[in-house]
Amino acid sequence: QSVLTQPPSASGTPGQRVTISCSGSSSNIGSNDVYWYQQLPGTAPKLVIYTNNQRPSGVPDRFSGSKSGSSASLAISGLRSEDEAEYYCAAWDDSLGAHYVFGTGTKVTVL
Amino acid sequence: QVQLVQSGAEMKKPGSSVKVSCKASGGTFSSYAISWVRQAPGQGLEWMGGIIPMFPSSSNYAQKFRGRVTISADESTTTAFMELSSLRSEDTALYYCAREVNGALDSWGQGTPVTVSS
Repeated sequence: QSVLTQPPSASGTPGQRVTISCSGSSSNIGSNDVYWYQQLPGTAPKLVIYTNNQRPSGVPDRFSGSKSGSSASLAISGLRSEDEAEYYCAAWDDSLGAHYVFGTGTKVTVL
Repeated sequence: QVQLVQSGAEMKKPGSSVKVSCKASGGTFSSYAISWVRQAPGQGLEWMGGIIPMFPSSSNYAQKFRGRVTISADESTTTAFMELSSLRSEDTALYYCAREVNGALDSWGQGTPVTVSS
């Protein structure tokens, strides 16, 4: 069961900005970095944000991340049809032995 | 960047075990952790555990899977393995391996479907 909570869905029209929240606790987001993954239908997840707000090479600068306290968010600006996917936040959790936890996932729909 | 290629689909009976492999090529294998993540049909991502290949005793498991999963690695063949025992229908899922670099899972395998059915 996921310990990071995300809204189940988000949507926007092309060109709009969409923001996805990720709520955790002091044992995960509150004390560790946050990562964001994009999963297109039928494919493996892809890293789009690491260390809270860094973009891997090749990820458009339309994607940005932020973190405050025990919460984080992913913003997609200039929304495009190819951004329609499931997005997951993740972080290491220090409770019960170090383990990696994922968010519940947010389906982004481009209207 | 490293490429991870996983073994093929598996069909198993309840109570049996499955062992999935993940071969790395094109990058550093031994010094970065390999994690295993599974995704049940229509569900989210679930971390199972990981290992740093150059430190075989470094294997670390999610509490939910302790006692039932074994993650190992063979440096000579740059291959990681995940073995899950006492399979039940709820273990039907797509199983991924991924390389971890500074906490980020930056390279993923293509996924291995495992179906558990009598």
